[in-house]
Amino acid sequence: DTAVSQTPKYLVTQMGNDKSIKCEQNLGHDTMYWYKQDSKKFLKIMFSYNNKELIINETVPNRFSPKSPDKAHLNLHINSLELGDSAVYFCASSQAGGGGQPQHFGDGTRLSIL
Amino acid sequence: GENVEQHPSTLSVQEGDSAVIKCTYSDSASNYFPWYKQELGKRPQLIIDIRSNVGEKKDQRIAVTLNKTAKHFSLHITETQPEDSAVYFCAASIGYGGSQGNLIFGKGTKLSVKP
Repeated sequence: DTAVSQTPKYLVTQMGNDKSIKCEQNLGHDTMYWYKQDSKKFLKIMFSYNNKELIINETVPNRFSPKSPDKAHLNLHINSLELGDSAVYFCASSQAGGGGQPQHFGDGTRLSIL
Repeated sequence: GENVEQHPSTLSVQEGDSAVIKCTYSDSASNYFPWYKQELGKRPQLIIDIRSNVGEKKDQRIAVTLNKTAKHFSLHITETQPEDSAVYFCAASIGYGGSQGNLIFGKGTKLSVKP
């Protein structure tokens, strides 16, 4: 069973479009995250979310918005896609309780903007 | 905010040799330091982690050391094998405030193990 699953695995779209990436975890974790990995392989936190609080990295454009229908899901919506949004996006989850919890990553969604 | 520096960016070793990757962090309140291995086209996978109340941890051929005073931690891989070839990331977790739990990653080390 896949612990953290993302769909789609690949997403190719045109500049200006709006797209969503879905993430689900079956680990019973309370906190979920979105990370962006750019072409240089640098991993950067975008959001963290538990059932109480959304923490947004201040450098993330407001075109990106996470939406959580329940604690097992954290979807990522992106409006008005730009060339610089091309990257691999990873969803992750962990137990709550503050710093110090192992995070489990999904397989990633490779987003390519034409 | 927290900043994590990782060195070297690339490392090439012969099979059977040891490999050492070093990281430094800036926020003395960080209290959790995981290491992830990422193979080409795959997801980052946790290989070992250490908390700030421990100085060293070992799991078979992998060990991590932490020096809180100097704010640096290192990954040691002994008896390297070709399947150890991957990109390794260190990370630090902010242990307080609203961003607690968020991992701040180093820029990665590409390890190549030559047979």
